[in-house]
Amino acid sequence: QKEVEQDPGPLSVPEGAIVSLNCTYSNSAFQYFMWYRQYSRKGPELLMYTYSSGNKEDGRFTAQVDKSSKYISLFIRDSQPSDSATYLCAMSAYNQGGKLIFGQGTELSVKP
Amino acid sequence: NAGVTQTPKFRVLKTGQSMTLLCAQDMNHEYMYWYRQDPGMGLRLIHYSVGEGTTAKGEVPDGYNVSRLKKQNFLLGLESAAPSQTSVYFCASRTSGSRAGELFFGEGSRLTVL
Repeated sequence: QKEVEQDPGPLSVPEGAIVSLNCTYSNSAFQYFMWYRQYSRKGPELLMYTYSSGNKEDGRFTAQVDKSSKYISLFIRDSQPSDSATYLCAMSAYNQGGKLIFGQGTELSVKP
Repeated sequence: NAGVTQTPKFRVLKTGQSMTLLCAQDMNHEYMYWYRQDPGMGLRLIHYSVGEGTTAKGEVPDGYNVSRLKKQNFLLGLESAAPSQTSVYFCASRTSGSRAGELFFGEGSRLTVL
């Protein structure tokens, strides 16, 4: 069983829709939770960063972490065609040299 | 400011050949990482380095070697390439003072082993 499981997708939504992306994990030592966005044939870039449990909002993006359920989510409001990309969840434990464990990635397509 | 630069961007090898991927960063970052990305597998850590002259194994180190002789460079070597090493390879870096998960990635090196 993988340490981090991510809904595989792919996911196709109309412009303006609310998108929900999710990951579950098994390692209770994870404390840092990230969402990376990766455009086609590019490297991943950090989108959202959360420490421990709670919510974080940045514009149209909201990241949620529920450590009791070992479940994290990324919500995208008013989705735009420019949001079309692969979204990767990533996690790390404390004092692990910054080693990240990634989910499989969800490919999102937002249709105009 | 170039950030993280990977060379080459594309390479085709025959089984058994050797090659080296070069990662260079100009941000004076202490930590550097090599990941591979395969369909349905996400990114998996091959090797990493927490400083010049240090290296450590990640999740999938077999068949690869690395060296960090200079702070700005991190080399990934394949001594005898196998078709299972066909993948997209990403280098990443971060500074010790940044958030634990804040990595800066290069644009990838696509390797095909025939």
